Amino acid sequence: GAVVSQHPSRVICKSGTSVKIECRSLDFQATTMFWYRQFPKQSLMLMATSNEGSKATYEQGVEKDKFLINHASLTLSTLTVTSAHPEDSSFYICSAVIRPGGDYGYTFGSGTRLTVV
Amino acid sequence: AQSVTQLDSQVPVFEEAPVELRCNYSSSVSVYLFWYVQYPNQGLQLLLKYLSGSTLVESINGFEAEFNKSQTSFHLRKPSVHISDTAEYFCAVSGGSNYKLTFGKGTLLTVNP
Repeated sequence: GAVVSQHPSRVICKSGTSVKIECRSLDFQATTMFWYRQFPKQSLMLMATSNEGSKATYEQGVEKDKFLINHASLTLSTLTVTSAHPEDSSFYICSAVIRPGGDYGYTFGSGTRLTVV
Repeated sequence: AQSVTQLDSQVPVFEEAPVELRCNYSSSVSVYLFWYVQYPNQGLQLLLKYLSGSTLVESINGFEAEFNKSQTSFHLRKPSVHISDTAEYFCAVSGGSNYKLTFGKGTLLTVNP
């Protein structure tokens, strides 16, 4: 089945540094990737939609300059948290739309736990 | 715009009891509906989905959900739960050409011995 590999699974960084999270589609081409943020015991909040070869579309209230999204190829999308602060600590999950043979659904990465100290 | 309401934030049940996790949605377009399960510090796993056709959909591990258009609901049921079913369950809806998936706030199902 369609698999999205997300790395790293956990990262601890110092306040003020940047962190890059990668999501790779292993056996399919992901033209559209979604990035979500999840706070403890809460739902997934969509941060942005990235389409291969074009600029990402950010949801209202999400800082474009803080959360840089790049979708340069059909198999790789990255989220860079720039100048991270403790309030950016969260669980980040990527997702891709899959449409195999007329079916329709989503596949999710395993998530990245970011802790900013 | 679309939205999802999961009416129960927590549902405690005893092992082998039946359970229903409620989900209502709103959307201005035709919808696709999903139930996902999330275990701690993991991504989401698809339980089942409704795209079209039969309104009753089933998963391989005994869960089922019924799409009810008139009540705009997609409740998840299982006739007999196991300890291993303890997890967070999310109902989600998508529709329209942008493929955006909107999640409910989730229901924590806790199965007690």
